[in-house]
Amino acid sequence: QVQLQESGPGLVKPSETLSLTCTVSGYSISSGYHWGWIRQPPGKGLEWIGSIYHSGSTYYSPSLKSRLTISVDTSKNQFSLKLSSVTAADTAVYYCARHASAWSIGYWGQGTLVTVSS
Amino acid sequence: EIVLTQSPGTLSLSPGERATLSCRASQSVSSNYLAWYQQKPGQAPRLLIYGASSRATGIPDRFSGSGSGTDFTLTISRLEPEDFAVYYCQQYGSSLTFGGGTKVEIK
Repeated sequence: QVQLQESGPGLVKPSETLSLTCTVSGYSISSGYHWGWIRQPPGKGLEWIGSIYHSGSTYYSPSLKSRLTISVDTSKNQFSLKLSSVTAADTAVYYCARHASAWSIGYWGQGTLVTVSS
Repeated sequence: EIVLTQSPGTLSLSPGERATLSCRASQSVSSNYLAWYQQKPGQAPRLLIYGASSRATGIPDRFSGSGSGTDFTLTISRLEPEDFAVYYCQQYGSSLTFGGGTKVEIK
């Protein structure tokens, strides 16, 4: 069974960089599929952040692209998110996920709340 | 970027009733790239439908998806108590976007 777990600081200061890691178990990232990040501000809807293939090819949301880096470490079976110059608008629950058929999202982590505040 | 508009915003129904949820796209979406999710409070979303009409593994057959082009529908034939939740559609074209969600609440 594929499982994903987000980890990283729950509090980030404005203008700093938000960094999260997703550790995958039950499946080797090297075996395929795209892996992604999605966020959800408190009480609001879902927003795709970006995704990465095991080869390292990346796909970013146009609205976040200038601040975003997603990378993969197949040796650790992890992929990571870095979002720079954060503001309060970046406060959200951040989910890591594995894509499934036709870019749907078949597996989700439990989510981690990141608050941007001084 | 394709914008997805879901309606209604809230649907108030009783258990056993039929629910019909709409997802309209600002431009044509390949049917292969339209999905539906269910989300309950405090939980991650769960994939229900992919490819506009294919049920994901383990999803009961009371859930069905249909549509093409710019108009897609999620139907729940007979609402069970566990079906009251928020539902999102999602598409992938040049980018990936979600609709704003429809809340199905108990009447």
